[in-house]
Amino acid sequence: QKEVEQNSGPLSVPEGAIASLNCTYSDRVSQSFFWYRQYSGKSPELIMSIYSNGDKEDGRFTAQLNKASQYVSLLIRDSQPSDSATYLCAVNSKGGGNKLTFGTGTQLKVEL
Amino acid sequence: NAGVTQTPKFQVLKTGQSMTLQCAQDMNHNSMYWYRQDPGMGLRLIYYSASEGTTDKGEVPNGYNVSRLNKREFSLRLESAAPSQTSVYFCASRATSGNYNEQFFGPGTRLTVL
Repeated sequence: QKEVEQNSGPLSVPEGAIASLNCTYSDRVSQSFFWYRQYSGKSPELIMSIYSNGDKEDGRFTAQLNKASQYVSLLIRDSQPSDSATYLCAVNSKGGGNKLTFGTGTQLKVEL
Repeated sequence: NAGVTQTPKFQVLKTGQSMTLQCAQDMNHNSMYWYRQDPGMGLRLIYYSASEGTTDKGEVPNGYNVSRLNKREFSLRLESAAPSQTSVYFCASRATSGNYNEQFFGPGTRLTVL
């Protein structure tokens, strides 16, 4: 079992719709959860962090965390073509060094 | 404030050649990280430095060495490059105040080993 799992996609949504991206993780003691956006040929860009159960909203983005189910999601409202990218889920890893373990990413395509 | 910078942006090596990838951050972060990203494999941690003067192995350290030169700089060295080291290499640094593990990435180095 991978430590952090994401559906690779592509996930296609029409412009203006809600995109829902999902991530599961295996380490029950993980405390920090992150979503990064990565455009093709570019580096990962941090867009959301969440540390407590529930929802966290920032503009059009909402991160949702359910530690009991070991599940974290990212909702993008009013999706725009500029949101087309790969979204990486990251979870703090076992051991020291404040390391992160990344999922392989979900490719999102927002269609006109 | 440049954030995390990496040099070079692109590099082509022949098998057996050596090179050093440079990384610097100007955010006064204590922790720095080297990742490689391969298609279908996601980001994998090569080495990290929790603080100046310390380095530790990550998930895929074989074939690499690192040096934490000072608080700002963290270099990655390939002593004898192999085609399996063809990848995109990212350096990251971690914020040390406020939220815990937020890491910020440099622009990457695209390395091809022939």
